[in-house]
Amino acid sequence: DAGVTQSPTHLIKTRGQHVTLRCSPISGHKSVSWYQQVLGQGPQFIFQYYEKEERGRGNFPDRFSARQFPNYSSELNVNALLLGDSALYLCASSPRGQVNTGELFFGEGSRLTVL
Amino acid sequence: KQEVTQIPAALSVPEGENLVLNCSFTDSAIYNLQWFRQDPGKGLTSLLLIQSSQREQTSGRLNASLDKSSGRSTLYIAASQPGDSATYLCAASLWSGNTGKLIFGQGTTLQVKP
Repeated sequence: DAGVTQSPTHLIKTRGQHVTLRCSPISGHKSVSWYQQVLGQGPQFIFQYYEKEERGRGNFPDRFSARQFPNYSSELNVNALLLGDSALYLCASSPRGQVNTGELFFGEGSRLTVL
Repeated sequence: KQEVTQIPAALSVPEGENLVLNCSFTDSAIYNLQWFRQDPGKGLTSLLLIQSSQREQTSGRLNASLDKSSGRSTLYIAASQPGDSATYLCAASLWSGNTGKLIFGQGTTLQVKP
């Protein structure tokens, strides 16, 4: 079975541009979460989606947005990129909407560099 | 506000040693605690998940314990091997309103020398 897949794996953008990152969860998983990991730090929660509805949002500006599609895949969008947005963006899926009771499975991430 | 701390930040040991990685959290109202492994530039691989009602979980040479009352978890690695070299992250699961999320520590970077 395929794990969580993310695309693109690497990308370089310049300040002020927009980026879209994509994630496909494990087959049968209905919940997708997004995390940002800055170099040398632990991942930080950005969004959780379940059944196409936003379930939660972390402490990130409105430049960050996301959505989940009927097939449970998800997109993370970041507008007006800043240098500080350079990070590894991780997508995770879980079978249930409530991550508190279940294990979270992560993809390999999308490495974003903002110049 | 839940905070997760991992000590030490880095650890270097000779091959074959048994070692313990520490994780502490400030709020005991967690639902579970998960340990992950991360290789450089890669995603996270789940190692062990301990539900709040459990005290420990084992997988091969790995054993993780959870003490909610003291706000601590440990990951024990037996007979370490060079292939164990990686960053190990612990994460506490929180439930707030309608949202479930993980709060991560900053990780312990382990180097096992042949």
